[in-house]
Amino acid sequence: KNQVEQSPQSLIILEGKNCTLQCNYTVSPFSNLRWYKQDTGRGPVSLTIMTFSENTKSNGRYTATLDADTKQSSLHITASQLSDSASYICVVSLPLGGSYIPTFGRGTSLIVHP
Amino acid sequence: DAGITQSPRHKVTETGTPVTLRCHQTENHRYMYWYRQDPGHGLRLIHYSYGVKDTDKGEVSDGYSVSRSKTEDFLLTLESATSSQTSVYFCAISESKAGGNTGELFFGEGSRLTVL
Repeated sequence: KNQVEQSPQSLIILEGKNCTLQCNYTVSPFSNLRWYKQDTGRGPVSLTIMTFSENTKSNGRYTATLDADTKQSSLHITASQLSDSASYICVVSLPLGGSYIPTFGRGTSLIVHP
Repeated sequence: DAGITQSPRHKVTETGTPVTLRCHQTENHRYMYWYRQDPGHGLRLIHYSYGVKDTDKGEVSDGYSVSRSKTEDFLLTLESATSSQTSVYFCAISESKAGGNTGELFFGEGSRLTVL
């Protein structure tokens, strides 16, 4: 069983609408949780980072929340744009020695239609 | 954009042939990683390096080897390519200092490998 589960697997919305992506994890304890955005044919790029003590973090129209008790995180996208069409990946990092070992979810594919 | 260059970006090869993918960074980051990305699996770690000549296995290391003779270069080698190794390969770098940097990964643009 994957330690980081994301839902939905795919999502189609209309431009201007809001949406929320979910991430459930079993990795514990962890150092931090990141959401990455991956455009088609490109490498992933970090959107937000939260430590286990943080509840919410915003980056423009992207807001990530974290509930360490239920081991859930969500990424809320406000007023979606066509450029938001991408895969969104939840990554939980474990500290291991002097490094961080990231565990990746399988991603949610978001398509924004005009 | 982080200075990460992967080469080649696209390659088609035949089963049984050796293949080497190169990752070059200009950021002087200590940690380098090789991932593969396949539909339905997401990104999976093949090998990583925490310094020159220091490497370790990831979750899908079978059939792959790596080398890091310089800080800036991390090579991924498939000694005898198989069709199951058809994938998109991503190199990533990070600082990942304990108690310091938060371990953000910076990814290259990917190398698409097709094994016929």
